Amino acid sequence: EPEVTQTPSHQVTQMGQEVILRCVPISNHLYFYWYRQILGQKVEFLVSFYNNEISEKSEIFDDQFSVERPDGSNFTLKIRSTKLEDSAMYFCASAQYFGPGTRLTVL
Amino acid sequence: QKEVEQNSGPLSVPEGAIASLNCTYSDRGSQSFFWYRQYSGKSPELIMFIYSNGDKEDGRFTAQLNKASQYVSLLIRDSQPSDSATYLCAAPTGTYKYIFGTGTRLKVLA
Repeated sequence: EPEVTQTPSHQVTQMGQEVILRCVPISNHLYFYWYRQILGQKVEFLVSFYNNEISEKSEIFDDQFSVERPDGSNFTLKIRSTKLEDSAMYFCASAQYFGPGTRLTVL
Repeated sequence: QKEVEQNSGPLSVPEGAIASLNCTYSDRGSQSFFWYRQYSGKSPELIMFIYSNGDKEDGRFTAQLNKASQYVSLLIRDSQPSDSATYLCAAPTGTYKYIFGTGTRLKVLA
């Protein structure tokens, strides 16, 4: 059964550093998403991506965030200058199917 | 602000009983709804979706949707200890944007 994969599983970074989270969606899917979940809180929508461009984004997805699909398979989320409050689980979703997540810890 | 509301629980049911999980939503334009199961420390796992009023059954799971009341529920029959998890309700707002409830923690007691 096709799966969404995400790397790395855990990323530790210093405040102010850039991070790139990677996802390989399910092939032949057209809609991709990034969500985040701060520990103990709800899953929050960040951005949706269709046809190589952003479809919708939330208030959280400010200028510090960007998404790309640089080739036919990878889908990335970049945070330019991380803040302490960016610490969370970041989930990529291919249509309605979630990847295992990347735990981002900002020190 | 569009919302999806769930009782955070925990909802405790004995093994073999029916667990009933509820969700209300504020956006009358929402057409489809998704139920996810999330084990602690894991990612949400899609259980089922529903977009028509009424019931939809899949194995031990039944989703119920009432658009007039803006209410969607998930019934789990013959609950097992392995069903113990947090159940998330999600609804679209806009074409490609989804909002999630806080989730209901279910505990199935052996």
